[in-house]
Amino acid sequence: NAGVTQTPKFQVLKTGQSMTLQCAQDMNHNSMYWYRQDPGMGLRLIYYSASEGTTDKGEVPNGYNVSRLNKREFSLRLESAAPSQTSVYFCASIRAGRGGNQPQHFGDGTRLSIL
Amino acid sequence: AQSVTQLGSHVSVSEGALVLLRCNYSSSVPPYLFWYVQYPNQGLQLLLKYTTGATLVKGINGFEAEFKKSETSFHLTKPSAHMSDAAEYFCAVSVDTNAGKSTFGDGTTLTVKP
Repeated sequence: NAGVTQTPKFQVLKTGQSMTLQCAQDMNHNSMYWYRQDPGMGLRLIYYSASEGTTDKGEVPNGYNVSRLNKREFSLRLESAAPSQTSVYFCASIRAGRGGNQPQHFGDGTRLSIL
Repeated sequence: AQSVTQLGSHVSVSEGALVLLRCNYSSSVPPYLFWYVQYPNQGLQLLLKYTTGATLVKGINGFEAEFKKSETSFHLTKPSAHMSDAAEYFCAVSVDTNAGKSTFGDGTTLTVKP
């Protein structure tokens, strides 16, 4: 039972390079989320997808784009990486058919450094 | 909009001592409340949740939390700390109308001294 799988686990980029972070869940969840985690700042929501075919901005969307490829997969793209985007990125999902009373399931994160 | 404040970014206790991690929330509608734990180099894992009903909620690893509406609090406790409890803990609030989005506190790092 894999849960939420994120790839890659680690990545080092140069300023200006682009990359896509991948996330897939095998729990038939409807909603998926991308967060960034920085020291002392908790988790900040970048983008989310309430259901297949929809995406919405979160608290810190600038510099990022997302794609909900299908029900299982939700990717995060950095078009032109900046040092301020150095962070740990987490993907999460929620069980289908429910609203706010369900806990989120998290992947193990992608540790991204931008030089 | 909802918000969460975790009081104390670092808490240190001795093994066997009481653990108390504080969380206060703000919400204009009845909230759903969660505590998550994060071990190094891992994602967040659910410890416990409050939705409706009994205000004292028991979770995994001997943790529990009490929802106090009058104090807008959801503090996490454990009677006796174990070395394996050392981790970062996050309180989160969600409401029913926001596509399952949660707002997280800044986290509290728990250190357990032998």
